[in-house]
Amino acid sequence: NAGVTQTPKFQVLKTGQSMTLQCAQDMNHNSMYWYRQDPGMGLRLIYYSASEGTTDKGEVPNGYNVSRLNKREFSLRLESAAPSQTSVYFCASSEGRGLAGEYNEQFFGPGTRLTVL
Amino acid sequence: DAKTTQPTSMDCAEGRAANLPCNHSTISGNEYVYWYRQIHSQGPQYIIHGLKNNETNEMASLIITEDRKSSTLILPHATLRDTAVYYCIVRPSYSGGGADGLTFGKGTHLIIQP
Repeated sequence: NAGVTQTPKFQVLKTGQSMTLQCAQDMNHNSMYWYRQDPGMGLRLIYYSASEGTTDKGEVPNGYNVSRLNKREFSLRLESAAPSQTSVYFCASSEGRGLAGEYNEQFFGPGTRLTVL
Repeated sequence: DAKTTQPTSMDCAEGRAANLPCNHSTISGNEYVYWYRQIHSQGPQYIIHGLKNNETNEMASLIITEDRKSSTLILPHATLRDTAVYYCIVRPSYSGGGADGLTFGKGTHLIIQP
């Protein structure tokens, strides 16, 4: 059981380049999330997918697009990278909500460290 | 969502209980308290959550005051591997039309001293 995997682990881009961050989970979870974490800060939600075929914006969606390719995979795309997108990106998955409507445990990947020059 | 307030940093001696406080004075009746931690350079890890009763699992205990305006996460026998940033998060049991996911503040940097 690998849990949540992310590729690549590190990436350096030049301003204006594009790239896609990949995320996959093997826990059969319905919900998947993309967060970013800037130095010394907590995580902020970029996009999430409550179930296969649906995606929604989070707190900081500008400059990003996502694709829920299937139940296992959720990718994050930067179409035209900017230095402000230098950050660590975490993908997470969960079973969504419990019987009482509470959030279930989120499982996080190891992160992708992205630098935009 | 209710705002949370945590101390920036705390120290604890190895083998002692680590008590991490969190203030959430504006919490509403349907909001749960969640604790996650993030060991340096890793993804966050879930610890525990609760609504109003005290909760315990293999990692920690969560004590929520009767008025629910504050809570304490207790690591009963801290080890060096417990050095991490601990996040207290409050979220409702329904999305209420807002974005899903968790909102992480800056958390408490817990340092376990040998």
